[in-house]
Amino acid sequence: DQQVKQNSPSLSVQEGRISILNCDYTNSMFDYFLWYKKYPAEGPTFLISISSIKDKNEDGRFTVFLNKSAKHLSLHIVPSQPGDSAVYFCAANKGSGNTGKLIFGQGTTLQVKP
Amino acid sequence: GAVVSQHPSRVICKSGTSVKIECRSLDFQATTMFWYRQFPKQSLMLMATSNEGSKATYEQGVEKDKFLINHASLTLSTLTVTSAHPEDSSFYICSASPTDRAMNTEAFFGQGTRLTVV
Repeated sequence: DQQVKQNSPSLSVQEGRISILNCDYTNSMFDYFLWYKKYPAEGPTFLISISSIKDKNEDGRFTVFLNKSAKHLSLHIVPSQPGDSAVYFCAANKGSGNTGKLIFGQGTTLQVKP
Repeated sequence: GAVVSQHPSRVICKSGTSVKIECRSLDFQATTMFWYRQFPKQSLMLMATSNEGSKATYEQGVEKDKFLINHASLTLSTLTVTSAHPEDSSFYICSASPTDRAMNTEAFFGQGTRLTVV
C-alpha cells in the first residue's frame, strides 16, 4: 500500500527553466510534508517542508505547494541548475512531534541539462 | 545545521556473519532515531524506531531478531544485522530529529551504509 506516490520516475529540464516535481498521498491524517534531495550512496538532504495548515512555502529557488483537497503537493525549482540533478523524494508524516517517522514516495530523478 | 553521522559507509561481509552499523547525532540529542532501508531504485522504507532507554518499535514485516537495535544513549543508536544473508544486501540509512523542539522539525539523515553480503 503506497501511501505516498511519485508517479514520475524521471524528469528532464533545461537549465534556467522551471522543474516541477509532483507527489500524491492517500492518507488524510498526514499533516506534515517534506522534500528531500538524494545523491547515490548518500543519505537524503532536507530541502523544504510544509505543514498541512498551509498551501505554500517558499525558500529561495524552492517552493512547495500543497492542495489538501486533491491530496497533492508539488515542488517547484526555479531557475533550475545542473547542480539540482539528483533524486527527489517526497515524504509525509502524521502526528506532531514524531517528525522523523516518515513515509517516502518512490522518488523522481531530476536531470537538469546545461 | 544538525549533523547525523553513520558508520561504516560501506561494508562487505560473509553470509552468516553479523554486522553492526552506528548512527550518531553529533551536535544534538535525540531520544528517537529511525532506521530505513533502500533497495536499488526503490523508496526508503522505515524499518524501525529506535527509542533511547527502551525497546525499539519495528514496522510490520521487519524481523526484530534479525535486525537488533540498541539506543543506549541520547546520541547513539546501533543496528546489528544478524546472520546476514545476500538478500539483506541494501542501503541502510538512519535519521534523527532533535529532542529540543526549538530546532527545525525536519529529520536529519546519516550518510547511509551500503551493506553487501557475499
